[in-house]
Amino acid sequence: GENVEQHPSTLSVQEGDSAVIKCTYSDSASNYFPWYKQELGKRPQLIIDIRSNVGEKKDQRIAVTLNKTAKHFSLHITETQPEDSAVYFCAASQNYGQNFVFGPGTRLSVLP
Amino acid sequence: NAGVTQTPKFQVLKTGQSMTLQCAQDMNHNSMYWYRQDPGMGLRLIYYSASEGTTDKGEVPNGYNVSRLNKREFSLRLESAAPSQTSVYFCASSEFSGGTEAFFGQGTRLTVV
Repeated sequence: GENVEQHPSTLSVQEGDSAVIKCTYSDSASNYFPWYKQELGKRPQLIIDIRSNVGEKKDQRIAVTLNKTAKHFSLHITETQPEDSAVYFCAASQNYGQNFVFGPGTRLSVLP
Repeated sequence: NAGVTQTPKFQVLKTGQSMTLQCAQDMNHNSMYWYRQDPGMGLRLIYYSASEGTTDKGEVPNGYNVSRLNKREFSLRLESAAPSQTSVYFCASSEFSGGTEAFFGQGTRLTVV
């Protein structure tokens, strides 16, 4: 089955700096890759996603890149703010949204 | 628009007791999922239901059973709770055909003593 790895497990950056989180997946059949943000005590919520027919997607300060050949995808957050502090999860799924497999998460701390 | 609703939000069980976690979604989604979240382990899939009438095991199904009651509802049952099942449980749903995100419920914090 699918296996998703995620690095780093923790990340601290200064406010205004950029943050990058990387994920790799094992199953070449996976074709949908969402990123979730989970604040303390709350449910995971989607922040950005990318499909396998696209190499990059951007939404304001957040971008995701996908390298299908290498089976890895990355989350980029620019101009980080304290409210970006949370745990971020990457995921991979097949059939564009069936049976999501999640990475172990990255705890991002944005220091003022 | 409620989205995905889970009950209860908190529960304490004694070892050996049984309980059912309820989940309902009002988005007309085909697929529903149960995950458990433990510190440092991310979200691990327990069971999922790709469509009404079907269920499949995920990564950590032992000690759990599920029922896809209808298109809206997907329940998770612990027949004989064990301390190792202490966790936060999330239900989620998605519309897989056409591809969209998974929407999560607010979670159930379960403690087995």
